[in-house]
Amino acid sequence: EVHLVESGGGLVQPGRSLTVSCTASGFSFGDYAMSWVRQAPGKGLEWVAFIRSKAYGGTTEYAASVKGRFTISRDDSKSIAYLQMNSLKTEDTAVYICTRDRIHCSGGSCYIYYMDVWGKGTTVTVSS
Amino acid sequence: QSVLTQPPSVSAAPGQKVTISCSGSSSNIGNNYVSWYQHLPGTAPKLLIYDNNQRPSGIPDRLSGSKSGTSATLGITGLQTGDEADYYCGTWDSSLSGWVFGGGTKLTVL
Repeated sequence: EVHLVESGGGLVQPGRSLTVSCTASGFSFGDYAMSWVRQAPGKGLEWVAFIRSKAYGGTTEYAASVKGRFTISRDDSKSIAYLQMNSLKTEDTAVYICTRDRIHCSGGSCYIYYMDVWGKGTTVTVSS
Repeated sequence: QSVLTQPPSVSAAPGQKVTISCSGSSSNIGNNYVSWYQHLPGTAPKLLIYDNNQRPSGIPDRLSGSKSGTSATLGITGLQTGDEADYYCGTWDSSLSGWVFGGGTKLTVL
């Protein structure tokens, strides 16, 4: 069975760093793109970051709200995707959810087609 | 303010039909594929529709998706109390080089 399990959330002070992990099972992790999505308390879903598979260059994209502060990465040998979060702000408080992505290629670029597998998320609270 | 616009809430009686709209622009819905997701708080969101109107395996045919121009619609017939959840549309935005979600629609089955 296909599973994504997030871990590493917790309470962190503003300005500090935290890394959350997403451990995959039940599929060939290296063949898929992955994303992180978050949901702040009382808010909707917000896409955060995306990493393509190595076959598509392993390149990344970020939401404007986190670009320059967050870094998505992957370790295909361990079937884990990471989200390193630096210079955290109170508005980064959210449940962080990882997704398995299907991608579509057109005009020389490959991007998220849809997100077909989701985890339940790990809670990150940024507060002093 | 979300890039994609959804109504905050919709409601209907059990057995009835409901539609949820998702409005965007040429940089997102107009030129990319729309997918729809169901989310019950505390659980993993679920893919309902991809490629504008395709259902993954296991999603019943009382759910449907459509797209016209820069808008998309999710339809649910034969409403059940178990359909009460938040529903999100999503697509790639070519101008932003990123994925965008609608603000979400809370479905209440009265």
